[in-house]
Amino acid sequence: DTAVSQTPKYLVTQMGNDKSIKCEQNLGHDTMYWYKQDSKKFLKIMFSYNNKELIINETVPNRFSPKSPDKAHLNLHINSLELGDSAVYFCASSQDVVAGQDTQYFGPGTRLTVL
Amino acid sequence: SQQGEEDPQALSIQEGENATMNCSYKTSINNLQWYRQNSGRGLVHLILIRSNEREKHSGRLRVTLDTSKKSSSLLITASRAADTASYFCATGGGNKLTFGTGTQLKVEL
Repeated sequence: DTAVSQTPKYLVTQMGNDKSIKCEQNLGHDTMYWYKQDSKKFLKIMFSYNNKELIINETVPNRFSPKSPDKAHLNLHINSLELGDSAVYFCASSQDVVAGQDTQYFGPGTRLTVL
Repeated sequence: SQQGEEDPQALSIQEGENATMNCSYKTSINNLQWYRQNSGRGLVHLILIRSNEREKHSGRLRVTLDTSKKSSSLLITASRAADTASYFCATGGGNKLTFGTGTQLKVEL
């Protein structure tokens, strides 16, 4: 009965590779997000989608491409991985389309390590 | 730039004591939320306080908001070892939440 799930939990890969992280929510929410948390625990919004439509893109390099096949899923594909991409990536969801108005529910995170 | 700044960055207390964390922010907000993050886990929502509210309670949690000073505080009363975690404030305005830098709380037995 997990609300927001992410796979994989850990991802170790070489520089230059392409990888994907998957996210699914079973809360019936309309809005989903990707956040990046660095080694200092600084959490920053990357993208948000509402009903499969991109509504926030926070100056993220275009090597990062989110894809939302339906409103319950928001996947993150990363091309040409760089050392600086190493971080924990969190998926989240909320009911309200206006992200700042509502509680967000977070997945367990995916720890990405680029060697 | 980062919206919220928590103070202190780290706090260590004994079980049973109260823990107070502060958050300052820079721009106008619709609401302010507090989240907890246990080590290696995702964030969990604790409480939301709207800009027209001054104080809110939830169990052992008490949150205050002073919009004139652009600050909020989170008080955890009668702390327990299980409260050990990082605590983040997040300001809601426009179409996104902006998270603070976090306070790492350690509650020792």
